[in-house]
Amino acid sequence: SAVISQKPSRDICQRGTSLTIQCQVDSQVTMMFWYRQQPGQSLTLIATANQGSEATYESGFVIDKFPISRPNLTFSTLTVSNMSPEDSSIYLCSVGGRLNEQFFGPGTRLTVL
Amino acid sequence: KQEVTQIPAALSVPEGENLVLNCSFTDSAIYNLQWFRQDPGKGLTSLLLIQSSQREQTSGRLNASLDKSSGRSTLYIAASQPGDSATYLCAVPNFGNEKLTFGTGTRLTIIP
Repeated sequence: SAVISQKPSRDICQRGTSLTIQCQVDSQVTMMFWYRQQPGQSLTLIATANQGSEATYESGFVIDKFPISRPNLTFSTLTVSNMSPEDSSIYLCSVGGRLNEQFFGPGTRLTVL
Repeated sequence: KQEVTQIPAALSVPEGENLVLNCSFTDSAIYNLQWFRQDPGKGLTSLLLIQSSQREQTSGRLNASLDKSSGRSTLYIAASQPGDSATYLCAVPNFGNEKLTFGTGTRLTIIP
């Protein structure tokens, strides 16, 4: 199984500011995924990040709001831009493993005031 | 579009009881189904992955079954313990890629 770390684990931010979340994997992976989990809700996919190409965003998510970088096969960042209280969520990255099993990072708990 | 539903949304049982969590999906063209556990405010821990060719998968006190034709999976937890208290999520990948569609989750509370 893949071991995934995320930074920061949690943060409290003011509206209008931006936060960059880092995701580090202990092995090289082709695809990394970013999910959002709003309070009391299940997970929603934000985008898929492939190394060397632009991220692919799901309906309802745009690059200006959630820019993603994928500089190499073990690392990715997600930025939440111009934050509002509605962005308060847990943000999780995941990777696929053997037999298409997916593994998740510990999540970043974001609160926007 | 795949839709995944979990029933019940919440469940409380006394310690020691066996229990079953349900997951249903609308599109049976899946190649696997995964069960996760999530503790409050935390990330997801993979519990079991069951391939479309399998009917059951077991890990310790957990047993997952899959019936593709009826669009259903169950997670059976034997001899429940207070440490099993968490939210349990099932998820299926979109056919042809690894994007997961998640169920609505079952919040499980084991009463000591």
